[in-house]
Amino acid sequence: NAGVTQTPKFQVLKTGQSMTLQCAQDMNHEYMSWYRQDPGMGLRLIHYSVGAGITDQGEVPNGYNVSRSTTEDFPLRLLSAAPSQTSVYFCASSYRQYAQETQYFGPGTRLLVL
Amino acid sequence: GENVEQHPSTLSVQEGDSAVIKCTYSDSASNYFPWYKQELGKGPQLIIDIRSNVGEKKDQRIAVTLNKTAKHFSLHITETQPEDSAVYFCAARMGFGNEKLTFGTGTRLTIIP
Repeated sequence: NAGVTQTPKFQVLKTGQSMTLQCAQDMNHEYMSWYRQDPGMGLRLIHYSVGAGITDQGEVPNGYNVSRSTTEDFPLRLLSAAPSQTSVYFCASSYRQYAQETQYFGPGTRLLVL
Repeated sequence: GENVEQHPSTLSVQEGDSAVIKCTYSDSASNYFPWYKQELGKGPQLIIDIRSNVGEKKDQRIAVTLNKTAKHFSLHITETQPEDSAVYFCAARMGFGNEKLTFGTGTRLTIIP
């Protein structure tokens, strides 16, 4: 299993540009999430999905869109990039059954918005 | 919403000694408390978690304790090794079906050989 994969690893955007951060998992997990990590702060939840076709907002959803057309993929779209969106973005997928759960994070995408 | 505070922000311990990281949470409805380890340039990795119906959980050199009354939980690492050096994050969440995980701000742990 590749686990959780994210592309690209690095990206530089100009203010106003749009882009899609890709996330895929091959573990057949129902739950997937997007977080951003900024210096001196913990991870903050952007959007999440509890299954194909179902998404919801997290703590900091403004400026981002998501969709979940398949179990495997959960792309994050930046509609019009702003310098405040400079961050490291992590995708995660989770397995839950009864009282057991395990969450796996991808390696991250480092985004710089100029 | 939930607020999670984590202390200390940095911690240095001699190899072989124990390390303790503490977190407090604000919402008494939170019932799931995971701990993550993040190495440089990598994503966080779940190392241990605890639910509110349990007071303590151990996994080899790592243990987590939970005090629901005081709303705080702690990570204990014994017999520390150089590979334990990393940033550690605590988190809290309400409900088994609730995906909204709130993270602490992290503790940079350095093990001194």
